[in-house]
Amino acid sequence: QVQVVQSGAEVKKPGSSVKVSCKASGGTFSSFTINWVRQAPGQGLEWMGRMMPVVRTINYAQNFQGRVTLSADESTSTAYMELNSLRSDDTAVYYCTRGVRGLFLWGQGTLVTVSS
Amino acid sequence: EIVLTQFPATLSLSPGERATLSCRAGQSVSNYLAWYQQKPGQAPRLLIYDASNRATGIPARFSGSGSGTDFTLTISSLEPEDFAVYYCQQRSNGITFGQGTRLEIK
Repeated sequence: QVQVVQSGAEVKKPGSSVKVSCKASGGTFSSFTINWVRQAPGQGLEWMGRMMPVVRTINYAQNFQGRVTLSADESTSTAYMELNSLRSDDTAVYYCTRGVRGLFLWGQGTLVTVSS
Repeated sequence: EIVLTQFPATLSLSPGERATLSCRAGQSVSNYLAWYQQKPGQAPRLLIYDASNRATGIPARFSGSGSGTDFTLTISSLEPEDFAVYYCQQRSNGITFGQGTRLEIK
């Protein structure tokens, strides 16, 4: 079955880091394009970046340059998103999603709450 | 960054009516535009990719059109389950999303 399953909810302190995982199944992991999108409470969708393992390419959205790191472990078909220097406005649901021409497969989302 | 502007922000219609949602890009995105539907508490669902191609399993009442900077998502006859928030997304240069159109029951 084609799916992506994300890690569970996190509560973090301001200034700390969070690492969210996304396990993909149903296909050859290295051929996937994995995007990360977040959604703050009551707000719209914000793209953070994408990883294309087959061409060893990672692109970051300008708003997150220097603060987010995307990585992957092909042996476990798992992608990771690490966000540093967390602020209260980083509180959001973080999604991993597959696709190029359209983001056709979404994880269930991971709620990250940043609070002192 | 390519800015996408969706309008209207809110659309109030009744079941059975036709819905027309618009998305305008700040510069040409060719046909590299997708549409998504999102319901409360759920992840977005891909409806349309490359401006006019329905994704797998999407009913025929959903259609997309446009190219360059102006795009439209049309729902020919609204079903009760279609009331949701709709986003457009471009992939011409990185990825950006519009701010969304809320389709509500009149």
